[in-house]
Amino acid sequence: EVQLVQSGAEVKKPGESLRISCKGSGYTFTNYWITWVRQMPGKGLEWVGRIDPHDSYTNYSPSFRGHVTISTDNSIATAYLQWSSVKASDTAMYFCATCGGDCYSDYWGQGTLVTVSS
Amino acid sequence: DIQMTQSPSSLSASVGDRVTITCRASQNIRTYLNWYQQKPGKAPKLLIYGASSLQSGVASRFSGSGSGTDFTLTISSLQPEDLATYYCQQSHSSPLTFGQGTTVEIK
Repeated sequence: EVQLVQSGAEVKKPGESLRISCKGSGYTFTNYWITWVRQMPGKGLEWVGRIDPHDSYTNYSPSFRGHVTISTDNSIATAYLQWSSVKASDTAMYFCATCGGDCYSDYWGQGTLVTVSS
Repeated sequence: DIQMTQSPSSLSASVGDRVTITCRASQNIRTYLNWYQQKPGKAPKLLIYGASSLQSGVASRFSGSGSGTDFTLTISSLQPEDLATYYCQQSHSSPLTFGQGTTVEIK
């Protein structure tokens, strides 16, 4: 059974660094891209970016490029979304999902709630 | 970026009704269009990919159609468990973009 299990909720202060994770199981991790999606409180879905674990190639939405970094550790089948300096506007639920050949997301993590507040 | 516009933003319908949600792309995306269902407090769930292919395990009352710039998600007979927000997403080109969502309520 394919599963994506995300790390737990985070509470951070503005300016702090943060890394959240997404661990895949039940499939060959390097065979599928991982994509990240943001959902701000009460709002819709926003595509953050994606990574090909096979070669670490990444795509970012212009809205997020330069503010977040997507990476993987294939030895533990885990993808990461990280910030070097979070802002209050980063407060949101973040989902990871698989992304196949035509990049539709058929498997999703449960979400990680990030709260940034002073 | 390709803009995705859904309509309506919300709708209320009775159990058994036929419900249609439309999604328009700002440029030709062929059939690189996916539909997701998100229930409150849950992760999104893939319903339709490639504009019209039903994801395995999804109820057959859901169907998708369209190509180019205009797409439709249809629920043939609305059920109480279909209370959710529905999103279209284009996967034709990066950045992948979502529509703003359509919230379906049960009368």
